[in-house]
Amino acid sequence: DGQLVESGGDLVQSGGSLRVSCMGSGVTISSQWMNWVRQAPGKGLEWVASINEDGSEKYYGDSVKGRFTISRDNGKNSLYLEMNSLRVEETAVYYCAGMEFILWGQGTLVTVSS
Amino acid sequence: EVVLTQSPATLSLSPGERATLSCRASHSVSASLSWYQQKTGQPPRLLISGASKRATGTPARFSGSGSGTDFTLTISGLEPEDFAVYYCQQRSSWPITFGQGTRLEIK
Repeated sequence: DGQLVESGGDLVQSGGSLRVSCMGSGVTISSQWMNWVRQAPGKGLEWVASINEDGSEKYYGDSVKGRFTISRDNGKNSLYLEMNSLRVEETAVYYCAGMEFILWGQGTLVTVSS
Repeated sequence: EVVLTQSPATLSLSPGERATLSCRASHSVSASLSWYQQKTGQPPRLLISGASKRATGTPARFSGSGSGTDFTLTISGLEPEDFAVYYCQQRSSWPITFGQGTRLEIK
């Protein structure tokens, strides 16, 4: 069975930048809309961003618009989330999810310190 | 933005009982409503999409109903592994939104 594997989570200072990645293993993501969803510790799910198959359409949640950028490299079967001007309250597990939110990765933890 | 309100926040039931979870949308989402189950330390798992279509692998005891603004997830005959947090999600319009979750706990 295919899986999505996130990486890149780290401890970063408030105002800093970080890029997290998601790679398909045994699953081709190039033919799918892809998504990022985050979950702060002990909190609910928050949709962050989505991108279409060829990267020509991108959508963002209001809280991250202008600071986060979703992108993909279909040749590398990978999805990315570039995060700038990070805030303490954006400490969360960041999940990538595939088309129709059927397949999810295990998540990568981003911690933003003050 | 479509706001999804789930109720109750916490539901305490015993194995074998029937669980009824509600999700109300601030605007009509037609049938573009999904349900997810999440257990501690795990990613969410899609249970129901299109308001009533069970995802592959979802047991038949899970059923979804509703359209427009009012939706229900019913679990008939709770199994021990069903105790978890459940989220609804709409993808009718951008931004995609989730409800705040219902925690289903063992009574």
